[in-house]
Amino acid sequence: KAGVTQTPRYLIKTRGQQVTLSCSPISGHRSVSWYQQTPGQGLQFLFEYFSETQRNKGNFPGRFSGRQFSNSRSEMNVSTLELGDSALYLCASTRRGVVGEETQYFGPGTRLLVL
Amino acid sequence: GENVEQHPSTLSVQEGDSAVIKCTYSDSASNYFPWYKQELGKRPQLIIDIRSNVGEKKDQRIAVTLNKTAKHFSLHITETQPEDSAVYFCAASMSNTGKLIFGQGTTLQVKP
Repeated sequence: KAGVTQTPRYLIKTRGQQVTLSCSPISGHRSVSWYQQTPGQGLQFLFEYFSETQRNKGNFPGRFSGRQFSNSRSEMNVSTLELGDSALYLCASTRRGVVGEETQYFGPGTRLLVL
Repeated sequence: GENVEQHPSTLSVQEGDSAVIKCTYSDSASNYFPWYKQELGKRPQLIIDIRSNVGEKKDQRIAVTLNKTAKHFSLHITETQPEDSAVYFCAASMSNTGKLIFGQGTTLQVKP
């Protein structure tokens, strides 16, 4: 099976702009989680989508939003970009086992630089 | 709130030695504890995980132990090799939340 893919891989934006990142999970996986990785804050959970519904949300401002499509692909959007939004944005595809146990596999990430 | 503490932040060992990284979690409802390895410029890669119904799991040179009473779990790497050099993250999660709470990471350097 193909792994988790994310596009674009690199992005440069300026303050005030908005950005949309895309994630395609592993075929058959219905859940996608998003994380922000920075040197100072480490890996922080943004939100998770399962069957097109946001199931869980982290402690990020409303400028961060996401959605999931019927084919399980997910997008996240950041509006009114701030310098502090510069980070590696990772999505994870979740495999659900026979008794419901979940395992997350990460994509390569999108590196966002806000100038 | 939910929190995972990871120690040490850096660890340097000689090739062939063992390395141990420890994590403590705060939410007693957590029942899944994965470990990820992240090489420079690469994605976090799942190397081993443990669920709350077992106390120990081993995969070749890597093992993880879990003490639910103490809310503590550890990663053990034996016979370390230079290619083990990377940043290692522990995480904790509850079922059906899709949410991993990560430790701050441990930079492991294996000197040849």
